[in-house]
Amino acid sequence: EAQVTQNPRYLITVTGKKLTVTCSQNMNHEYMSWYRQDPGLGLRQIYYSMNVEVTDKGDVPEGYKVSRKEKRNFPLILESPSPNQTSLYFCASSLQIANSPLHFGNGTRLTVT
Amino acid sequence: KQEVTQIPAALSVPEGENLVLNCSFTDSAIYNLQWFRQDPGKGLTSLLLIQSSQREQTSGRLNASLDKSSGRSTLYIAASQPGDSATYLCAPRSYNAGNMLTFGGGTRLMVKP
Repeated sequence: EAQVTQNPRYLITVTGKKLTVTCSQNMNHEYMSWYRQDPGLGLRQIYYSMNVEVTDKGDVPEGYKVSRKEKRNFPLILESPSPNQTSLYFCASSLQIANSPLHFGNGTRLTVT
Repeated sequence: KQEVTQIPAALSVPEGENLVLNCSFTDSAIYNLQWFRQDPGKGLTSLLLIQSSQREQTSGRLNASLDKSSGRSTLYIAASQPGDSATYLCAPRSYNAGNMLTFGGGTRLMVKP
């Protein structure tokens, strides 16, 4: 089944403890991105990747890192999480930019205490 | 910077009504515009993708139109059902701002039996 898989679905951690949220797609998509969703602020893009080894900042990249070493994987790294990074995170991918729909994972709910 | 507005923010209707959800955006330099559905606590499901060269797209009871020059898109839902209850989000994909999707705040729809 074609899908975008995020892990974990739920994560509770403490301030400053490094964490990684994984994202994997099995559709050979070139484009991948990360979003966070917060009440009243909607969905905002954190980082995106046009292809392997090509990443760029979105609207709210501060406090996050990403890497794209393989086409299928696009992990989101929080080196030193803070409470303001408590949010619902989504990974998404599409075959191309111009003509292809964006497919979303099921989300990761992160709580930083 | 692309800004996306969705009106109304919330809508409650009896089953069977035909509905119109509105989306407006400020930057008309877009590749395409996508409509999504989001159920509470869940990921986003792609409903329709309209390319910038198209005027409308249809899928079942859903029809989406696009007027790029005026920065507007409309999602029409025919014969609404309780199962249509969800939040509907529109997202144009801009040439500028790094090919990002920018999301509107959504329309929260409730269809009562």
